[in-house]
Amino acid sequence: NAGVTQTPKFRVLKTGQSMTLLCAQDMNHEYMYWYRQDPGMGLRLIHYSVGEGTTAKGEVPDGYNVSRLKKQNFLLGLESAAPSQTSVYFCASSYGLLYEQYFGPGTRLTVT
Amino acid sequence: GENVEQHPSTLSVQEGDSAVIKCTYSDSASNYFPWYKQELGKGPQLIIDIRSNVGEKKDQRIAVTLNKTAKHFSLHITETQPEDSAVYFCAASNYNQGGKLIFGQGTELSVKP
Repeated sequence: NAGVTQTPKFRVLKTGQSMTLLCAQDMNHEYMYWYRQDPGMGLRLIHYSVGEGTTAKGEVPDGYNVSRLKKQNFLLGLESAAPSQTSVYFCASSYGLLYEQYFGPGTRLTVT
Repeated sequence: GENVEQHPSTLSVQEGDSAVIKCTYSDSASNYFPWYKQELGKGPQLIIDIRSNVGEKKDQRIAVTLNKTAKHFSLHITETQPEDSAVYFCAASNYNQGGKLIFGQGTELSVKP
């Protein structure tokens, strides 16, 4: 099992550019999550999904969109990147509510 | 909504000593409290969790205690080893919030040999 994988690992964007981060899990988990991690602020939930075809907003959803077309994949999109979106992005998945979340290795995004 | 405060932000101990990290939460409905360890350059990994129907849980050198009345919970690591050096995050959640985890700010633990 690969667990949770994320692509790409690193990316540099210019302000206004768009990109998509891909998360994939092979554990047949229903729940998937996108977090961002900034120094001194812990992890903050951006969007999450409770099953294929569903998405919901987390704590900091503005400027991001997500899609869950297949159960194993969860995509995070930035339509018009801003320097404030410079961060490390983590994807996670879990079997259900209040169960262990398994995290991917992260994507380091820099917006200049 | 839920708010989780974590202290201290940094902690340095000698190998073999104990380390304690404390968290407080605001939502009395929270009933699930996991602790995650994050090593440099990696994603967080669950090390222990506790649910509100118990007051303490142990797993070898790691223990977590929960005080629902005071709305705080703590991570205890005994006989610390250099490989315990990492950033530790507490979190809180409940069904009313759709199971979303609200994380504390993190504690950077350094174990000196």
